Amino acid sequence: AQKVTQAQTEISVVEKEDVTLDCVYETRDTTYYLFWYKQPPSGELVFLIRRNSFDEQNEISGRYSWNFQKSTSSFNFTITASQVVDSAVYFCALSEAGYGGATNKLIFGTGTLLAVQP
Amino acid sequence: KAGVTQTPRYLIKTRGQQVTLSCSPISGHRSVSWYQQTPGQGLQFLFEYFSETQRNKGNFPGRFSGRQFSNSRSEMNVSTLELGDSALYLCASSEGFQDSNQPQHFGDGTRLSIL
Repeated sequence: AQKVTQAQTEISVVEKEDVTLDCVYETRDTTYYLFWYKQPPSGELVFLIRRNSFDEQNEISGRYSWNFQKSTSSFNFTITASQVVDSAVYFCALSEAGYGGATNKLIFGTGTLLAVQP
Repeated sequence: KAGVTQTPRYLIKTRGQQVTLSCSPISGHRSVSWYQQTPGQGLQFLFEYFSETQRNKGNFPGRFSGRQFSNSRSEMNVSTLELGDSALYLCASSEGFQDSNQPQHFGDGTRLSIL
């Protein structure tokens, strides 16, 4: 079964604190893709990162970093030195390759609401 | 490049009516997917289209339908609206599928309210 679990419903931090958002996934496919999206109050889902199942290298982009561990089926997201503008709902998502990679269907977690207080 | 454009942004309907939502993908993108977002069920996949063909469908009743035109623009239709159809409907587009190494980009959504 395909499933994405974001156990943290809400997180509140003070500006400049580091925060990690957890994501655990379930899939039977050997080829799959993992994503993080940010949803500000305006509603649009903003793409942050995509990883495929064969690339376990961690990635850093400015204050953002991602830790992908197949052994624990986790794809965690860390924001370093958080800022008020980081306040949003963050979604982790899974896409399975399907037949020849011919699908874009995303299975989303329930999201984590991050509130960064000044 | 312009982003994914969804129209209208807001819509109010009453039970029993039908509604059509529109999505214009990013220029050059041939794949369009639709999602429903509600507080109770979260983000759920509705269907996806590529080159005017429905490639995949989520677990929604037949009242939900869609189509894609030759210019890649897509519409989704919901007939016999129910209160539970109140949601944010999001459209996403990409050049191809996951193996093309292109992520999906989402529009701002259409917020549908059923009275």
